[in-house]
Amino acid sequence: SQTIHQWPATLVQPVGSPLSLECTVEGTSNPNLYWYRQAAGRGLQLLFYSVGIGQISSEVPQNLSASRPQDRQFILSSKKLLLSDSGFYLCAWRADRGLARINEQFFGPGTRLTVL
Amino acid sequence: AQSVAQPEDQVNVAEGNPLTVKCTYSVSGNPYLFWYVQYPNRGLQFLLKYITGDNLVKGSYGFEAEFNKSQTSFHLKKPSALVSDSALYFCAVRDPHDYKLSFGAGTTVTVRA
Repeated sequence: SQTIHQWPATLVQPVGSPLSLECTVEGTSNPNLYWYRQAAGRGLQLLFYSVGIGQISSEVPQNLSASRPQDRQFILSSKKLLLSDSGFYLCAWRADRGLARINEQFFGPGTRLTVL
Repeated sequence: AQSVAQPEDQVNVAEGNPLTVKCTYSVSGNPYLFWYVQYPNRGLQFLLKYITGDNLVKGSYGFEAEFNKSQTSFHLKKPSALVSDSALYFCAVRDPHDYKLSFGAGTTVTVRA
């Protein structure tokens, strides 16, 4: 079966510090990968999307970046965090087999980031 | 562009009563529709989806949803709510020609004992 991991679970960082959040998927190959941010426990904002190694699509201009160094690894980074970067970060994957567009996304447990 | 509206921020029901969470959508083609549930400080869990076929879709934990093309709605329902159903519920839509899911703002469901 497939599983998705995110770490760390919680993170408290000062303004201006760097960030690295990691997401890995097990039990599947060539997944579509997503990073979302959820503010105040409500709506989800899509940040980045990846269809393969090294292929990143950015949805919202900001001081965050994403990388996919391996097939099942997706990393969210920042060189200098802002207060507004606080939130709940969710990674998700979707199977890229068959009619991929009908497949649902599966979400990781999330990382709670607090920037002080 | 695709979009989803969840008109109710909050839904409160008594345990054992029917539960309905409303969702309407806007998409250029035939929609792919999804419902997710989120418990506090957790990731989203997939409940069910509508792609094509029967308008009534059954999913996890006794939930079902009815696709209504004329009303562009995809309401989530459960005949008899449980206290453990208390959570945040998200409706999402994908245009068949797009890779992205568009999520609604979420509806908080509270089931009182």
